[in-house]
Amino acid sequence: AQSVTQLGSHVSVSEGALVLLRCNYSSSVPPYLFWYVQYPNQGLQLLLKYTSAATLVKGINGFEAEFKKSETSFHLTKPSAHMSDAAEYFCAVSPLSGSARQLTFGSGTQLTVLP
Amino acid sequence: DTGVSQNPRHKITKRGQNVTFRCDPISEHNRLYWYRQTLGQGPEFLTYFQNEAQLEKSRLLSDRFSAERPKGSFSTLEIQRTEQGDSAMYLCASSLALTSGETQYFGPGTRLLVL
Repeated sequence: AQSVTQLGSHVSVSEGALVLLRCNYSSSVPPYLFWYVQYPNQGLQLLLKYTSAATLVKGINGFEAEFKKSETSFHLTKPSAHMSDAAEYFCAVSPLSGSARQLTFGSGTQLTVLP
Repeated sequence: DTGVSQNPRHKITKRGQNVTFRCDPISEHNRLYWYRQTLGQGPEFLTYFQNEAQLEKSRLLSDRFSAERPKGSFSTLEIQRTEQGDSAMYLCASSLALTSGETQYFGPGTRLLVL
């Protein structure tokens, strides 16, 4: 069974500082990996996804993530935080095979950006 | 641009009542997923349709829950004899089946409060 661990349920950074949100997965084979963002009272919006092509994936709003098989990690980064980045971020995995591609999510990381 | 829509956005009901939620996916998408998200947690998979066929159900989906997707278009999720533990955000997502890394697009969710 696949699982996702997000270290740090709350992360605070100053505006302009580096954002680093951690995600580790557990799977017998490297799955597909996703980062979603959720603003208050809204659904989830895809930031980026890894589908076994390039290990460094660039997404929207200046975010990127690097797949590291040896560390079973897919950490999300952004060089310079903006106030509008304050939201909850979810890492998710889906299986490579089978008809269903249901996502298994981590418990989320709430990002606060301080002025 | 018509994304995934869900109705109602909010529902307050009394314990023991039945409720029904509707999801309208992106029109060309053949896959539809239901997830449940409780406060402070990531979404959890409930069930999945490919076209009109319900192909997978989570153990979270008790016999009080039923989902349909007639004609492979919109979907409904009904909860019978609601319990306070059913209070959550119910999210719908749709996708187009691909050989790799399909993206699920989420609706804004229906927030259910059972009193």
